[in-house]
Amino acid sequence: GAGVSQTPSNKVTEKGKYVELRCDPISGHTALYWYRQSLGQGPEFLIYFQGTGAADDSGLPNDRFFAVRPEGSVSTLKIQRTERGDSAVYLCASSFHDGYTFGSGTRLTVV
Amino acid sequence: SQQGEEDPQALSIQEGENATMNCSYKTSINNLQWYRQNSGRGLVHLILIRSNEREKHSGRLRVTLDTSKKSSSLLITASRAADTASYFCATWATSGTYKYIFGTGTRLKVLA
Repeated sequence: GAGVSQTPSNKVTEKGKYVELRCDPISGHTALYWYRQSLGQGPEFLIYFQGTGAADDSGLPNDRFFAVRPEGSVSTLKIQRTERGDSAVYLCASSFHDGYTFGSGTRLTVV
Repeated sequence: SQQGEEDPQALSIQEGENATMNCSYKTSINNLQWYRQNSGRGLVHLILIRSNEREKHSGRLRVTLDTSKKSSSLLITASRAADTASYFCATWATSGTYKYIFGTGTRLKVLA
């Protein structure tokens, strides 16, 4: 597609539930990144994919968070047993060489 | 963790004035980028400056980089109300981590 697409744009879920956030990168971009942004803060790195493999998952806060990119294109960020502290905007970006192209983000609210 | 710190955290100016934001970072970098974000959603890439460059221009934007001081500045000249947004610097370290680390951001408000 022309840009990075993230769905849903907003997600409200109850504490303890499981959620999946989807990112559809720009066609041909081999690198895909997930960031999380809390109110008033800069984006914090979560995980980076090069092709199908997670090249760096050092930013995932704990084992409730997991991400996949099975065919080297679309990626899904999965959060188990959501907590109120997981509420944030989750941003996806894809890249071919220099610089990122960001999606519009998914605003996750855990109530 | 966040690599960079922007200064000031918030800035309010009149339309037509210049706005200057500063970014300090901690490790050696390959390049640095500035991004703009409206309403807390997607970030838009503004300008990239490499470690061997000292200054770059793009329209009303001027970016400087001082690697000896580990700092960068973004100047927006003749600001407009539409420039109201948050601005972030992001650094790509030389240590092979293959990701951008973002600063804390400057919230700019341009008053008409």
